Amino acid sequence: DGGITQSPKYLFRKEGQNVTLSCEQNLNHDAMYWYRQDPGQGLRLIYYSQIVNDFQKGDIAEGYSVSREKKESFPLTVTSAQKNPTAFYLCASSRRETGELFFGEGSRLTVL
Amino acid sequence: KQEVTQIPAALSVPEGENLVLNCSFTDSAIYNLQWFRQDPGKGLTSLLLIQSSQREQTSGRLNASLDKSSGRSTLYIAASQPGDSATYLCAVRDVGAQKLVFGQGTRLTINP
Repeated sequence: DGGITQSPKYLFRKEGQNVTLSCEQNLNHDAMYWYRQDPGQGLRLIYYSQIVNDFQKGDIAEGYSVSREKKESFPLTVTSAQKNPTAFYLCASSRRETGELFFGEGSRLTVL
Repeated sequence: KQEVTQIPAALSVPEGENLVLNCSFTDSAIYNLQWFRQDPGKGLTSLLLIQSSQREQTSGRLNASLDKSSGRSTLYIAASQPGDSATYLCAVRDVGAQKLVFGQGTRLTINP
């Protein structure tokens, strides 16, 4: 079955540590996205990529980094510079023909 | 700057009722509009995608309409069931944009 796989589902991190969230898709979509969701704040775009080896900052990119070395993969690193990293992180990809967006199941990061 | 609003923030209805969820947007130059469902702790599931040239889309008991001139979309749910309880989000993609702008969502509860 085609879809978007995010891992890990739950992650705990100590302050000062970098963590990397994985996102893999087998939908053959060109564009991929990372969103952050906080209670009462809706979805906010962190980074997006329209093509391999290229990506753009979203609305809240500070303290995050990404790479797009393969079409299927778009990992997100939450660095120690991110002041409030505890959140629910969602990866998505979209079809070029229609622009329809599909999401993974999410990764919940908790900083201890 | 595009803004998307969903009112009400929460809605509770008895099982079996037909209901309408509202989504409004400020800029009518949109490429498409998408409705999603999100269950607690889960990712977003795409329900319906309406391209700018379309007036409505249907899937099972769901019907979404789009009126660009008034900046409104509605999601109609027929014969509601307890399993329809979830948060419903709408999102708009502007013409020429890669990013979607999300509403805050409507939390729907269907009471048995």
